[in-house]
Amino acid sequence: DGGITQSPKYLFRKEGQNVTLSCEQNLNHDAMYWYRQDPGQGLRLIYYSQIVNDFQKGDIAEGYSVSREKKESFPLTVTSAQKNPTAFYLCASSIWAGVQPQHFGDGTRLSIL
Amino acid sequence: EDKVVQSPLSLVVHEGDTVTLNCSYEVTNFRSLLWYKQEKKAPTFLFMLTSSGIEKKSGRLSSILDKKELFSILNITATQTGDSAVYLCAVLNSGNTPLVFGKGTRLSVIA
Repeated sequence: DGGITQSPKYLFRKEGQNVTLSCEQNLNHDAMYWYRQDPGQGLRLIYYSQIVNDFQKGDIAEGYSVSREKKESFPLTVTSAQKNPTAFYLCASSIWAGVQPQHFGDGTRLSIL
Repeated sequence: EDKVVQSPLSLVVHEGDTVTLNCSYEVTNFRSLLWYKQEKKAPTFLFMLTSSGIEKKSGRLSSILDKKELFSILNITATQTGDSAVYLCAVLNSGNTPLVFGKGTRLSVIA
């Protein structure tokens, strides 16, 4: 079945560490997105990519980095510069950025030790 | 800046009740409004609304858009415990920019 796979489901980070969250899709979608979800905050956009080798910052990009070397993959790195990284991270994709709806992965829950 | 406001933020009802969830928006060059249901993990798509006054319906769920007053409602009739979830509203403008989401309404249906 086509879909979006995020891994790991749970991730623990020590202070000062960078961690990378994986997102893979086999839907042949051009556009991919990363969102952060905090309790009572809805979804806030971190980064998005409309095409391979191109990405744009969202509303809360500080402390995060991404790459888009392959169409099916859009990993997110949470750097040590992100001071409050504990959150639920959702990856999504759509056929292209102007076409909806988006399809979502099951998310990664990141916690600080 | 595009903005989506959902109300109420949380709601507790009994099984069998009918609920109405609200979503108002301010967006430059509005194109569509979408509703998603999020249980524990991935949001799942419910409806996409583009035209005013045309009701979209799926089982006990229905939704309608008012482009003049800039809002949408999501109705759930004869609620069941399985309807307990966070319901997210999002808007899309006519450019190739991503969806803008509201904070969601957390619905709890108790037996």
